[in-house]
Amino acid sequence: GQNIDQPTEMTATEGAIVQINCTYQTSGFNGLFWYQQHAGEAPTFLSYNVLDGLEEKGRFSSFLSRSKGYSYLLLKELQMKDSASYLCAVQDSNYQLIWGAGTKLIIKP
Amino acid sequence: GAVVSQHPSWVICKSGTSVKIECRSLDFQATTMFWYRQFPKQSLMLMATSNEGSKATYEQGVEKDKFLINHASLTLSTLTVTSAHPEDSSFYICSARAGTSEETQYFGPGTRLLVL
Repeated sequence: GQNIDQPTEMTATEGAIVQINCTYQTSGFNGLFWYQQHAGEAPTFLSYNVLDGLEEKGRFSSFLSRSKGYSYLLLKELQMKDSASYLCAVQDSNYQLIWGAGTKLIIKP
Repeated sequence: GAVVSQHPSWVICKSGTSVKIECRSLDFQATTMFWYRQFPKQSLMLMATSNEGSKATYEQGVEKDKFLINHASLTLSTLTVTSAHPEDSSFYICSARAGTSEETQYFGPGTRLLVL
């Protein structure tokens, strides 16, 4: 079966760094996405990885290892507005997105 | 970036009535649109995938006669919840993708449906 695993909840301090991990087992792989979703709002696109390695975009970076079925989202210089759920999603061989349950990130002052 | 709109953003209706939700891609042509449902504190659940000009593909457990999807043009898809009941109350979100070669799905802002 297809499976995406990520922690349910994480807590971090404003100004710090946090890493949200995602492991996956899917039928085929056509890229991995990270989305941010604030409570009551639709997801917004953060990053896309299809090749191994690190993609950096401002305070956010995303890493992928296809051989390990593993990705992480790294958030630096955390701000209170980063409190949200972070969704990991893998695009399978049919270009369908398989979603993880999301990681709720709580930022404390 | 690509923009997807949804209308209405909020709808309250009586049980037994039908509700239509529109999803539009504003600055790109969406050959594929997706409809999701999200219950409180849960992840997104894909309901159906629609390609322009063809019938939608529904996920297992989603009633196609209850959730009517029309993808009549490259910029518009509609979801009609027929004979809505309180258990249909949810957050309905559409997303759009330009094509299989365009990897990213862009999400609309969502429509919150409350059935009384």
